[in-house]
Amino acid sequence: EDQVTQSPEALRLQEGESSSLNCSYTVSGLRGLFWYRQDPGKGPEFLFTLYSAGEEKEKERLKATLTKKESFLHITAPKPEDSATYLCAVPWGGATNKLIFGTGTLLAVQP
Amino acid sequence: DGGITQSPKYLFRKEGQNVTLSCEQNLNHDAMYWYRQDPGQGLRLIYYSQIVNDFQKGDIAEGYSVSREKKESFPLTVTSAQKNPTAFYLCASSRTANYGYTFGSGTRLTVV
Repeated sequence: EDQVTQSPEALRLQEGESSSLNCSYTVSGLRGLFWYRQDPGKGPEFLFTLYSAGEEKEKERLKATLTKKESFLHITAPKPEDSATYLCAVPWGGATNKLIFGTGTLLAVQP
Repeated sequence: DGGITQSPKYLFRKEGQNVTLSCEQNLNHDAMYWYRQDPGQGLRLIYYSQIVNDFQKGDIAEGYSVSREKKESFPLTVTSAQKNPTAFYLCASSRTANYGYTFGSGTRLTVV
């Protein structure tokens, strides 16, 4: 069964304290991995798509990387405004436009 | 600006009533989706549509119905058959298979 697992469930950082979030997946024949940011009471906001092992993408303090079994979202010198839930998702079911989501990592950055 | 509009933001329903959640997009996207989000669970796919007048069931379609009469619109009806409808509902769209979804701001449905 295709699955997406995110860890940790919650992470509390001090402002400026860098860390990484993990997303592991068991789908076969990966056709992309997506990262989203979700603020409370709002819809997820698209961050990155990664397609192949070794690929990296960056946006401000965020960098996403991909291996054959997992993806990492590295947060460098985070600020309080980076506090949010970060979701990852992969296509499933033989169609690349249906996504299965992990349960997310709730990140809190304290000033 | 292009985007997805969901309405209403908050919705209260009495048990036994059907309610319809609106989702409209002006992004010219072909595919549209409905997800349900519950605390501690990932987003779960209810229905999706890749073209007008066609839609498929997702993982948790029981108790829900949809229509796709126009490219821009994909309303979701939560019927009285849905046993636990209280949740946060998210509508999304995508241009092609390999592009990230654009999500709406969600509708929080509460059964009272």
